[in-house]
Amino acid sequence: QITLKESGPTLVKPTQTLTLTCTFSGFSLTTNAVGVGWIRQPPGKALEWLAVIYWNDDKRYSPSLRRRLTITKDTSKNQVVLTMTYMDPVDTGTYYCAHRRTSRGVDYFDFWGQGTLVTVPS
Amino acid sequence: SYELTQPPSVSVSPGQTARITCSGDALPKKYAYWYQQKSGQAPVLVIYEDIKRPSGIPERFSGSTSGTMATLTISGAQVDDEADYYCYSTDSSGNQRVFGGGTKLTVL
Repeated sequence: QITLKESGPTLVKPTQTLTLTCTFSGFSLTTNAVGVGWIRQPPGKALEWLAVIYWNDDKRYSPSLRRRLTITKDTSKNQVVLTMTYMDPVDTGTYYCAHRRTSRGVDYFDFWGQGTLVTVPS
Repeated sequence: SYELTQPPSVSVSPGQTARITCSGDALPKKYAYWYQQKSGQAPVLVIYEDIKRPSGIPERFSGSTSGTMATLTISGAQVDDEADYYCYSTDSSGNQRVFGGGTKLTVL
């Protein structure tokens, strides 16, 4: 059974760096073709893909946020960490991590964590 | 940047068929995926690889594609199906991973 859970601060001040941890079970990030991604959702708005890390340590980032994001993994702890620099009130939202699969060149996410709400006050 | 376009809202009566569309230039080449998100909950995958249904998803959920449009169909929609629905795919290169703007389904 695949499960994921996000953890991190609920409140981040403008210009600070956000660090979120995804702790998962039911799969290993050392297994071929496995990946973990991050997706966020501002209140009342659509989902937005942020980043994904693969079993071979390859990484992909949203082009619009690439300069602010870093994704890493700790396979011994079954964790993936996302950092986002220079936080702004527009970054307020729920941040999800999710298990990634692939099919015909498309990454997709089949199991999601419950999400964690991050607020950046203005 | 690549975009997937969905109608903001769809409304049906219980028992009717709901159809939610998603248009994108790369959909003839790339699979479409559909997520259901109920209020306050995480998204749930309801359709993958255009037409496949994950284990545990009711048979009334189905997917189809035609050219640059993917469609999620809910046959005999139930009140419990009220949710936001998002399509997802990538651009032709596979580099841009994109969600549609979401469609709010009302069943009443």
